[in-house]
Amino acid sequence: KQEVTQIPAALSVPEGENLVLNCSFTDSAIYNLQWFRQDPGKGLTSLLLIQSSQREQTSGRLNASLDKSSGRSTLYIAASQPGDSATYLCAPNTGGFKTIFGAGTRLFVKA
Amino acid sequence: GAGVSQTPSNKVTEKGKYVELRCDPISGHTALYWYRQSLGQGPEFLIYFQGTGAADDSGLPNDRFFAVRPEGSVSTLKIQRTERGDSAVYLCASSLRGKRLGGPNTGELFFGEGSRLTVL
Repeated sequence: KQEVTQIPAALSVPEGENLVLNCSFTDSAIYNLQWFRQDPGKGLTSLLLIQSSQREQTSGRLNASLDKSSGRSTLYIAASQPGDSATYLCAPNTGGFKTIFGAGTRLFVKA
Repeated sequence: GAGVSQTPSNKVTEKGKYVELRCDPISGHTALYWYRQSLGQGPEFLIYFQGTGAADDSGLPNDRFFAVRPEGSVSTLKIQRTERGDSAVYLCASSLRGKRLGGPNTGELFFGEGSRLTVL
């Protein structure tokens, strides 16, 4: 059974810092891994999708890496802004088309 | 449609009542997922549809929960004899991922805004 752990659970940083959010998963036989952002009271917004054959994906100030063999993914946020404040969720998709989520990292960027 | 649409956005009901939550996926997406999210937690998988059939319903908590997708597009999540513990946000997602599909098939999930269910 896939289990997903995200560290840290919460993070508060001043504006402009570079951040690393960590995700680990127990079943490395994944099809892909997706990072999402969730604002309070809202649905999930897809940030980056990494296929199992890829090592990283980049979108603007975001970079996600994947080390499938060790069951780890990281989300790197460069030059953080107050608008980045949200919960970030990691979601590996294993066989059977089931995507399992971690509890997320709550990020607060102070102006 | 342009995105995943869920209705109602909010539903307040009394314990023991029957509730239906609707999801309209992105046009052309064959895969549809239901998740449940409690405060402070990540989404919990409930059920996955590929086309009209439920390919994986292992996340449904008990037989009070049921979901259908009769024409392979819109899906309805049905909850009978609601309990206070059913209170949560119910999220729907769709994707292109599926078997024997041509064209782009990245498996990327797209979520709706959710239906917040409160059972009094």
